[in-house]
Amino acid sequence: AQKITQTQPGMFVQEKEAVTLDCTYDTSDPSYGLFWYKQPSSGEMIFLIYQGSYDQQNATEGRYSLNFQKARKSANLVISASQLGDSAMYFCAMRDRSGGGADGLTFGKGTHLIIQP
Amino acid sequence: AAGVIQSPRHLIKEKRETATLKCYPIPRHDTVYWYQQGPGQDPQFLISFYEKMQSDKGSIPDRFSAQQFSDYHSELNMSSLELGDSALYFCASQGQGANTEAFFGQGTRLTVV
Repeated sequence: AQKITQTQPGMFVQEKEAVTLDCTYDTSDPSYGLFWYKQPSSGEMIFLIYQGSYDQQNATEGRYSLNFQKARKSANLVISASQLGDSAMYFCAMRDRSGGGADGLTFGKGTHLIIQP
Repeated sequence: AAGVIQSPRHLIKEKRETATLKCYPIPRHDTVYWYQQGPGQDPQFLISFYEKMQSDKGSIPDRFSAQQFSDYHSELNMSSLELGDSALYFCASQGQGANTEAFFGQGTRLTVV
């Protein structure tokens, strides 16, 4: 089974609207971390936000917030007031040790977000 | 703030040649990860180091090796290059703690011709 599932291969959103990018995960490890990264067309991988499995509050970083629903195993990224510069590929990733997994991040397939003026 | 530095940014090699990629982590970060991202793919974990010792291995081919040096910089050595090794190679570093933010370098784009 996929450890990280991003069901939206692509999204078009109007500028200034809020955006929700979906991410569900699968792990049996009680201790895990969830990450979101932005990858513009230039290729660099930009860290956006992190949520630990034991964190009581949903993580927020400026216009980014993470809607963490532990029972549903979902960690959706919410971008408020989208801007043209938000157009990029967005990856959800997880670090856990279930199934003897490596300690590197496991990434989803990504969502290609395009913000339209 | 200092970021993860990777060199070179771009590299073109011929089949069967060797390549060495370098990574300089954020100061005081004790963990380094290497990832490979093929065209249109998500990044795949290759190998990691903690305090200069190999920590874990992912899908790293036997033709590849890596090490972390006393100054915490890391090098990924790739031999007998194949066309399929053409990819973006990322290094990421992380501070203390198993689940803290991991910051990526800008990547090295390797093209094998």
